Amino acid sequence: GNSVTQMEGPVTLSEEAFLTINCTYTATGYPSLFWYVQYPGEGLQLLLKATKADDKGSNKGFEATYRKETTSFHLEKGSVQVSDSAVYFCALSDRGSSNTGKLIFGQGTTLQVKP
Amino acid sequence: DVKVTQSSRYLVKRTGEKVFLECVQDMDHENMFWYRQDPGLGLRLIYFSYDVKMKEKGDIPEGYSVSREKKERFSLILESASTNQTSMYLCASNRRIEGQPQHFGDGTRLSIL
Repeated sequence: GNSVTQMEGPVTLSEEAFLTINCTYTATGYPSLFWYVQYPGEGLQLLLKATKADDKGSNKGFEATYRKETTSFHLEKGSVQVSDSAVYFCALSDRGSSNTGKLIFGQGTTLQVKP
Repeated sequence: DVKVTQSSRYLVKRTGEKVFLECVQDMDHENMFWYRQDPGLGLRLIYFSYDVKMKEKGDIPEGYSVSREKKERFSLILESASTNQTSMYLCASNRRIEGQPQHFGDGTRLSIL
């Protein structure tokens, strides 16, 4: 079945450091891919998405490129801030008529940014 | 903007009680979902609904039921609450179109004593 694997956390960085959170997936066909962010005490918010191979999603300085050849969708940011401290979830759209709209989530990666 | 509203941010109940968690969305979405989130376990799908009165079991439906009498409202019911159901519960909704993102509420942190 379809699945998503994220790098384990926590990831601890200093402010202005470069961020990469790895995400790889297993899926048949061409799923859409998503990154969500969850700030402390809140629900998940959509951060960015990509719907086909080589698409780049971007938002708030974060980027991720849909790489079909490596089945990856790694999240990057050039310079993190303390306010980026959160849990990040990678997800893909499940397939099949009975699953339309369902997403499969990775385990989440906690990012802590220190001043 | 899509708004998914969960009725309570924090809830404390006792073992054996029947507990209702309510979720309302304002964007006429066909799909609605209930997840629970526990440290180290990520998000686990409890139930989802793709239409009024329609429901399907997710990965961990045991001990839970759901109700969807109106399109905008999806209720999660703990028939007889137990301490192992202490968790964060998240509701989400989206259009029933492939590749659509889900929109989440702020979550209900439920403690069963």
